[in-house]
Amino acid sequence: DIQMTQSPASLSASLGETVSIECLASEGISNDLAWYQQKSGKSPQLLIYAASRLQDGVPSRFSGSGSGTRYSLKISGMQPEDEADYFCQQSYKYPLTFGSGTKLEIK
Amino acid sequence: EIQLQESGPGLVKPSQSLSLTCSVTGYTITSGYDWSWIRKFPGNKMEWMGYISYSGSTNYNPSLKSRISITRDTSKNQFFLQLNSVTTEDTATYYCARTIPYYYVMDAWGQGASVTVSS
Repeated sequence: DIQMTQSPASLSASLGETVSIECLASEGISNDLAWYQQKSGKSPQLLIYAASRLQDGVPSRFSGSGSGTRYSLKISGMQPEDEADYFCQQSYKYPLTFGSGTKLEIK
Repeated sequence: EIQLQESGPGLVKPSQSLSLTCSVTGYTITSGYDWSWIRKFPGNKMEWMGYISYSGSTNYNPSLKSRISITRDTSKNQFFLQLNSVTTEDTATYYCARTIPYYYVMDAWGQGASVTVSS
């Protein structure tokens, strides 16, 4: 199975701050990488797929980048509603596997 | 708008079978997409368990292959998870989700069903 190492496990950011979260795959995954947001008590929501493609309805302050084994999610200008857990998922090979998650809080 | 809703027992005894239903509204499960089960353990680790496709074929996580079955009832627009011989390590929140073919990402999720395995 492809292992996804996500960092950091948690971080806090001030409103308006730019935040980055990273995922490292145990092998190359050819941009087959998605990011999800999960707010407390809610189900996960797809933010980005194919490493950089924004899901319909997701604010443009969210962006994804990367290649090979390293990928990142950037939030440009932290908003109160961005406080949530974020996790990555590789879709290059079955079984699909997930990162361990990042808890993002407002400072 | 598509909606998915999990239902089933919240408590299962060790060695028994866990059975959950995902009821889908707003989209017909035979029209397209794959239909997955994913679980989130205490401590936040997530595991993709398997899917049933719009045509009825299945694909399971090898880590579960001997214990898992995903089936469907197209007349009710539902799909099901059965996990046999459960242990306390199967305690988790179970989600059903629509999975986009080719991209293999989940674009719609149920709210989740918390299942505890305990005697």
